[in-house]
This record gives sequence, C-alpha cells and structure tokens, in this order.
Amino acid sequence: NAGVTQTPKFQVLKTGQSMTLQCAQDMNHNSMYWYRQDPGMGLRLIYYSASEGTTDKGEVPNGYNVSRLNKREFSLRLESAAPSQTSVYFCASSVVQGQGAQPQHFGDGTRLSIL
Amino acid sequence: TQLLEQSPQFLSIQEGENLTVYCNSSSVFSSLQWYRQEPGEGPVLLVTVVTGGEVKKLKRLTFQFGDARKDSSLHITAAQTGDTGLYLCAGANAGGTSYGKLTFGQGTILTVHP
Repeated sequence: NAGVTQTPKFQVLKTGQSMTLQCAQDMNHNSMYWYRQDPGMGLRLIYYSASEGTTDKGEVPNGYNVSRLNKREFSLRLESAAPSQTSVYFCASSVVQGQGAQPQHFGDGTRLSIL
Repeated sequence: TQLLEQSPQFLSIQEGENLTVYCNSSSVFSSLQWYRQEPGEGPVLLVTVVTGGEVKKLKRLTFQFGDARKDSSLHITAAQTGDTGLYLCAGANAGGTSYGKLTFGQGTILTVHP
C-alpha cells in the first residue's frame, strides 16, 4: 500500500550541482504533479503531467525540468541548483475524469537544501 | 492566475475551544478541497465540496462552500491536541480543461494546547 513514493527524502547540494528527484505511484493514476512548499506560501505547482507522454508548466517552472518516464514515474530535475531552490518538494498523483478535480495523493516530500 | 487567500495564517488555541479557518478568492472554483498536513508528511485530503452552499461534516469538523463557489470555511468544534497541524484549502479551476490542477491557499498552522 505504498501510494506515492519519493526519493530521496533529504538532500544537500552545492550551488551549481544538478540532481533528479524521483517519484513513483502505484495507484494507476493518469495525472502527476510536482510542487514546492515554502513557509507561508502553501504549495506551488512546478510542473504537471496530465497523462503519460505529456508535461506542462505550472506556476513556478523556471530552473526545473521534468520527465514522465511512464505512467508510474514522474521525475523532477534541477540542472544547476540555486539557493532559491531550497525547499520541500512534493510529488502528487490523481485520477482526472472530465473536468473535475479528484483528490491528489501526495508523497512525503524531499527536503532539499542548496548551499 | 487564480488566488486563494487563507486566514488566519497562524492559530494557537486551548483544547476545547472552537475555531474557524477561512479560504477566500475573487475567482469561481468548480470544487474546493481541504487537506491536513502533519510535520514530515505530505498533505492528506479531508473533504471535497462541490456544490455552492454545500456543508459537509466530518466528526467535529464542518466544511462549507460559499454560494458563489468563491470561498470556503473550516470550523472545528471543541478542538483537541490531535487537530494540531497545517490546514490547506485548494480550489479546482472552473471552466476549460483543468487536468485536475489545484490552486492552494497559503495554509493555516493550527496549534492546540492541552
């Protein structure tokens, strides 16, 4: 009963380094999302994938890239990390039927610090 | 860009007190969800309200969706220490092809003291 699994849970990077955050869901959901959470700012959408093979920018996409590897996996890449990208990153998935918003299921987050 | 203003940002109360959290927008949402998040974990859905004027109850929690579907409230009766956490409202975009995207409020950090 894993749901949404994110790896790693914690990571410290130096400015300019690159890394990929991994996310996998086992609920057969068609849509997946990447958010960042900063104090006092709720959750802000970075990128999302409505279905396998498609990705679109969210509210704060600059400095990030994503890959929807297959229906289960959606990765987030930081090509050249900056201190402003220090945050907690959450991956989520949902079933999307028509135009309704179904509940999103979240992973437990990746805490990323960039020095 | 649709915005959701959530208030208050912080709430510190004693066990047994009542409280209300508000979520307001100038935009219409097709539905609104409330999530609760505990430290070190991701948000977990509490409820979805869909119809304007809808009221849903979950034990001591009462959720209301405004008639115009622009605002919502969460009322907790006789708060308990176990209610402590971050509460987030999230609106689903109305009209067009939403792909299930949500707009989140800033969150309300609730601390209930014994």
